[in-house]
Amino acid sequence: NAGVTQTPKFQVLKTGQSMTLQCAQDMNHEYMSWYRQDPGMGLRLIHYSVGAGITDQGEVPNGYNVSRSTTEDFPLRLLSAAPSQTSVYFCASRVRDRDNEQFFGPGTRLTVL
Amino acid sequence: DAKTTQPPSMDCAEGRAANLPCNHSTISGNEYVYWYRQIHSQGPQYIIHGLKNNETNEMASLIITEDRKSSTLILPHATLRDTAVYYCIVRSRNSGNTPLVFGKGTRFSVIA
Repeated sequence: NAGVTQTPKFQVLKTGQSMTLQCAQDMNHEYMSWYRQDPGMGLRLIHYSVGAGITDQGEVPNGYNVSRSTTEDFPLRLLSAAPSQTSVYFCASRVRDRDNEQFFGPGTRLTVL
Repeated sequence: DAKTTQPPSMDCAEGRAANLPCNHSTISGNEYVYWYRQIHSQGPQYIIHGLKNNETNEMASLIITEDRKSSTLILPHATLRDTAVYYCIVRSRNSGNTPLVFGKGTRFSVIA
């Protein structure tokens, strides 16, 4: 199993540009989440999904969209990038009823100029 | 979630056993102890969890005291690749989608 994979690993955007961060998992996990990690802020939940076709907002959803058309993929879209979105983004997945046993991807380091 | 206290930093020699402590004196009966680590520039990695019995897996062992107020993560033979920040988290098993809160953790270094 590849586990949770994320692409790209690094990205630089200009303010106002849009892009999609890709996340895929091959463990057949129902739950997938997107977090951002900023220095001194810990992990903050952006969006999550409890299964294909179902998504919901986390604590910092503004400026981001998600969709879950398959169990495997959970892309995160930045609609109009802003410098405040400069961060490291982690995708995570887990099985139902194992809320705290999460598998994280390697992260995408995003810089918005 | 119960509060946890960990030493800010520790180190050990490569090949030796590493014992990473965590205090969680306010843990409640339905809360588990979870350990994660985050190697520099990588995503957090789940290591192990337990309720009251000692647990062992391919990565580590977890020793929980009888009163459950503290625990120790044991890395039996530390390697350089174990250098990371280690986080002890206490949460109920059914935490839903509330995000994991890692706190400051222990910055653990393995010395060659």
